[in-house]
This record gives sequence, structure tokens and C-alpha cells, in this order.
Amino acid sequence: NAGVTQTPKFRILKIGQSMTLQCTQDMNHNYMYWYRQDPGMGLKLIYYSVGAGITDKGEVPNGYNVSRSTTEDFPLRLELAAPSQTSVYFCASREAGGSSEQYFGPGTRLTVT
Amino acid sequence: TQLLEQSPQFLSIQEGENLTVYCNSSSVFSSLQWYRQEPGEGPVLLVTVVTGGEVKKLKRLTFQFGDARKDSSLHITAAQPGDTGLYLCAGAWGGNTPLVFGKGTRLSVIA
Repeated sequence: NAGVTQTPKFRILKIGQSMTLQCTQDMNHNYMYWYRQDPGMGLKLIYYSVGAGITDKGEVPNGYNVSRSTTEDFPLRLELAAPSQTSVYFCASREAGGSSEQYFGPGTRLTVT
Repeated sequence: TQLLEQSPQFLSIQEGENLTVYCNSSSVFSSLQWYRQEPGEGPVLLVTVVTGGEVKKLKRLTFQFGDARKDSSLHITAAQPGDTGLYLCAGAWGGNTPLVFGKGTRLSVIA
């Protein structure tokens, strides 16, 4: 059981480039999330999805886009990368239910220069 | 406005000492979770507390949910270097609403 997997682990982008961060979960969870974590800080919610075909903005959605065509996959798209998007990005998933455990991927460390 | 305030933000202690970290809010949550994040990894769930006044123990870690379900505390007895990490609390309102995370307490236990 792989849980939540993220690719790539590391990436360096130049300003203005675009990329997609991949996230896949094999637990058949309906809920999926994207967070960013800046150095020494907590987690900020970028986008989330409560099921295939449904996405919603979190606290810091500007500069990002998501799609959810399947239950398993929740890619995060960065358009026109900026230095302010340098961060570690975590994908997470959980079952429906308010107190269910949230499972996190290992993270993608992105640097924009 | 930070819905969940964690304190202290940083804590550095010697091995064997006891410590308590706090998670406070003006909002009522249906449940509250504590996660630990080690360097270079994603957060991992430690415990979920659901009932006001609930106390849960996980080896040397004791978690308490406030009676009004607005706050929680994590007490570590005889801290060890392996306890080093970022401790995050997260509040749940239920339904489809995402968890609300605090900024975390960064704990360093020195041998």
C-alpha cells in the first residue's frame, strides 16, 4: 500500500516557467488537498477536492490551478512561476468524515529562481 | 486571523525534561488532531480527540481536549531526542470543511 505519492521530489524552475506537481493516492479517499509549507512555517491550504470533478480554493490559491478527473489523482499546476512560489508542497488525502486521519505525501521541494 | 494559535512557537529542552505545548482557538471544533512532522517528511497523525475533556495517552505523550472543545494540550514526559520535530494541531468542523492547521511548535530535544 503506497499511500500518497508525489512527484517530483525536487525541482528548480526559472521565473515564468510552468510545471505540474503530481499527486496520487491508492486508498480510495474522496478528499484530497494541496498545501504549501514555507521554511519554518506551518501548512497553508492551496486547493482541495471532495471528489472527482469537484475542486475548491483554499487560503492561497493565486498562481495555481488543479483538476480532479479521477479519485486517485490530484495534480497541481503552476503557471508562470514566481520566486514567491518557492516552497515545499504537500499533497494529502483522507476519507469523508470530520475526524478521519489525513495522510500526507513526502512533499515536493520547489525552488524558483 | 489565525484560527488556531499554537504556543510556544519554538522549544529547546534537554533530554529527560517534561514539556507542554498548547493549541488554542476561539472556535469550537468537532474534533482536534495532533500531527508530528520530522525534517524532510510529511506530517503524520499522532492522535484525534473528539469529546470535550477527553484525555488520550500515547506512551510518554498525553493529549487533552478542552471541555469547551476550543483548545488542546500535548504533554511530553521525559523527552527524548526522537521527539524532535514540528508538532501541528488541526481542528475539524466536520462535513466537507478542510482541517484548520495551527502554525506548529518546533521542538528540539538535546541529548
